Amino acid sequence: DQQVKQNSPSLSVQEGRISILNCDYTNSMFDYFLWYKKYPAEGPTFLISISSIKDKNEDGRFTVFLNKSAKHLSLHIVPSQPGDSAVYFCAATSGYALNFGKGTSLLVTP
Amino acid sequence: DGGITQSPKYLFRKEGQNVTLSCEQNLNHDAMYWYRQDPGQGLRLIYYSQIVNDFQKGDIAEGYSVSREKKESFPLTVTSAQKNPTAFYLCASSMSGGTHNEQFFGPGTRLTVL
Repeated sequence: DQQVKQNSPSLSVQEGRISILNCDYTNSMFDYFLWYKKYPAEGPTFLISISSIKDKNEDGRFTVFLNKSAKHLSLHIVPSQPGDSAVYFCAATSGYALNFGKGTSLLVTP
Repeated sequence: DGGITQSPKYLFRKEGQNVTLSCEQNLNHDAMYWYRQDPGQGLRLIYYSQIVNDFQKGDIAEGYSVSREKKESFPLTVTSAQKNPTAFYLCASSMSGGTHNEQFFGPGTRLTVL
């Protein structure tokens, strides 16, 4: 059963605008959440993470928000750039292994 | 440069043959992991190792085997018992096996069974 869900398979955003990628989880034991970016035929690259004791973490153009009561997190990219076009995976863990969503393909158009 | 290397990038195997995928890291990380990715799917955990000479099954360990004789190396063997081995295989490592440790991934090996 999928414990981490990314319900939007794809998203298209204009350059300069905000990209919002969403992720839901079902396991209340998850206490650490991560976002990875992936290009085809390459390994995922770590972007940003957040602990369950926080509700926001910011790193440059990337901000992750966590709503524990709703079991929901989101990644905001502002401003979006064409180089951000990739597949974004949400992951969650309560220990050693990461549980991944199926990914959202982001396309940033000029 | 520190990082994780996987070889080969592309691998072809005849049905019924075992094949071993290599994963090496020079990050001095204690924990290492193997994931599998299928088209349109997220990554699924095959095996992980928190420390040398110890490893644990992940969600989809059937048909796979691993060893962890050295801290730097965590090879994965895809055996003939794996019913659907064609996939993209990713190796990762983290500083330790505990929570709140980011996992860093290698470039992956695409295995195709002919």
